[in-house]
Amino acid sequence: KAGVTQTPRYLIKTRGQQVTLSCSPISGHRSVSWYQQTPGQGLQFLFEYFSETQRNKGNFPGRFSGRQFSNSRSEMNVSTLELGDSALYLCASSWTGTSPLHFGNGTRLTVT
Amino acid sequence: KNEVEQSPQNLTAQEGEFITINCSYSVGISALHWLQQHPGGGIVSLFMLSSGKKKHGRLIATINIQEKHSSLHITASHPRDSAVYICAAQLNSGGSNYKLTFGKGTLLTVNP
Repeated sequence: KAGVTQTPRYLIKTRGQQVTLSCSPISGHRSVSWYQQTPGQGLQFLFEYFSETQRNKGNFPGRFSGRQFSNSRSEMNVSTLELGDSALYLCASSWTGTSPLHFGNGTRLTVT
Repeated sequence: KNEVEQSPQNLTAQEGEFITINCSYSVGISALHWLQQHPGGGIVSLFMLSSGKKKHGRLIATINIQEKHSSLHITASHPRDSAVYICAAQLNSGGSNYKLTFGKGTLLTVNP
């Protein structure tokens, strides 16, 4: 069974640009959640989707957005990139959102 | 004060030693996750528990809901256990239990 797949693995962007990251969950999993990991702040919750609906959102500015498609694949978008957005972005999938999580390997975003 | 506190931040042990990592939380939760992250690697979910105790191989996780405290134990530690261990509280506030709040992590180094 394939695991959670995140693409791309690495990304370099310039301040002011926007970026879209993709996450394909484990087959059958309907919940996808996104996280930001930085050395200073550690892991922080961004948002969680279930059946194409955002059920919860973390304390991030509106520049961070996401969506989920009918096949449960999810994308997150960051607009008007800032240097502080440089981080490892992780997604995780689970059956329901309240069941064990399966993490992808992450997308490392560098903003210059 | 963080909603989830982990201790210790760093832990160095000799191979074979019994290891305990602690996690305290200050809010109501629906579940507590223990995660493992190897340097440069992705995150693996070790346990998700809402009461009592779970065991998987040499790893044991316990939770005391009344005291808002959880522990991760590693018996007969091995150098391959060297990793960052992160606890995450699945919050149960405002009717939403899909949001994870993370501890800062414990860096475990097991020397041969």
